[in-house]
Amino acid sequence: AQRVTQPEKLLSVFKGAPVELKCNYSYSGSPELFWYVQYSRQRLQLLLRHISRESIKGFTADLNKGETSFHLKKPFAQEEDSAMYYCALSGSARQLTFGSGTQLTVLP
Amino acid sequence: GAGVSQSPSNKVTEKGKDVELRCDPISGHTALYWYRQSLGQGLEFLIYFQGNSAPDKSGLPSDRFSAERTGGSVSTLTIQRTQQEDSAVYLCASTPTGVFTEAFFGQGTRLTVV
Repeated sequence: AQRVTQPEKLLSVFKGAPVELKCNYSYSGSPELFWYVQYSRQRLQLLLRHISRESIKGFTADLNKGETSFHLKKPFAQEEDSAMYYCALSGSARQLTFGSGTQLTVLP
Repeated sequence: GAGVSQSPSNKVTEKGKDVELRCDPISGHTALYWYRQSLGQGLEFLIYFQGNSAPDKSGLPSDRFSAERTGGSVSTLTIQRTQQEDSAVYLCASTPTGVFTEAFFGQGTRLTVV
């Protein structure tokens, strides 16, 4: 079975402060991990995936297999980062499993 | 079409009625997923299609829920004898063939059971 846990339902930070959204996973094989984002009144969309090792909109995420984590980080949060963030895992069966999401609010 | 299309965008139905939700994936995408997004509950996996077959139906909450996909394209999620707890946003996503890269989501159908 595959499971994704996002322990924080709500997270608030001030503009310019660092932000970290936590994600832990459970999967026996080698997973593919993703972060998806849903801005207000927009559809859910891919933010980044671990295999690309990319930085999108200043966000990065490192896969830590020892800690089974894939936390999303940004050094300086912006107000436009306020959104719902979902961590997701794809296993060998190609089923995409999502965490429960974290609502990020960046305060002015 | 250019993206995943879902219809209707909003549906209000009376308790006990049946509803059909439709998903039109991106052309050529072989995998199709249904999720349910409830307030405070995140994204709940319902069912996954690879072509016309459903390798994993484990997420369907009860036997009132069923889904089919025909021609490897359009999918229909049917909820029979709707209950108030079925109220949620139902999301559809599709992915292309081969290595999993990115799931493209529709705008969702907001179902309200009164």
